[in-house]
Amino acid sequence: SQQGEEDPQALSIQEGENATMNCSYKTSINNLQWYRQNSGRGLVHLILIRSNEREKHSGRLRVTLDTSKKSSSLLITASRAADTASYFCATVPHTGGYQKVTFGTGTKLQVIP
Amino acid sequence: DAMVIQNPRYQVTQFGKPVTLSCSQTLNHNVMYWYQQKSSQAPKLLFHYYDKDFNNEADTPDNFQSRRPNTSFCFLDIRSPGLGDAAMYLCATSVQLAGVPKNIQYFGAGTRLSVL
Repeated sequence: SQQGEEDPQALSIQEGENATMNCSYKTSINNLQWYRQNSGRGLVHLILIRSNEREKHSGRLRVTLDTSKKSSSLLITASRAADTASYFCATVPHTGGYQKVTFGTGTKLQVIP
Repeated sequence: DAMVIQNPRYQVTQFGKPVTLSCSQTLNHNVMYWYQQKSSQAPKLLFHYYDKDFNNEADTPDNFQSRRPNTSFCFLDIRSPGLGDAAMYLCATSVQLAGVPKNIQYFGAGTRLSVL
């Protein structure tokens, strides 16, 4: 079954507004990652947050992680039309051996110019 | 630029006719993955190679096979494609070092497979 569930499934905002996407997961993790996928393309890694971190920034991206609630959020500030894409969270489990990545269900973001 | 390249970008095959999708990488990563992604869904891992070791997901149909002749190349073979196999197929790579569970994935642009 899917490790991560994301909400909302779809989000439509005006350019310049902030976009927030949430991800919930089920088991203990080593790290959580966010990826972006433009329509018809592969996924691109955006940011990684480790289980012992609570917040991380990268440019206009801000990621938070609450391991007690098993949830993460991705905030895109001052959105642009070019941010239109699907965004996936992905979790890497806190187990020994090979670390399999499991992707969430994704949030489809539309930024209207 | 170092990258993951998938060929072709679009592939059309007939029901039951074997098809091979290819992936190459210049990143020299030791792990290569194949994912299947259907419309508006998350990528679903089919299998991966950790160096030369092949790892099949439990729910990957026998119809799907893979080959990795060397570090740079990996192939996905669909022996008898059905209509339900129409999807985007994504190849990805990562570096896995013992005791370093980072596992950032680098994706190719994907091959969209149509089955007629």
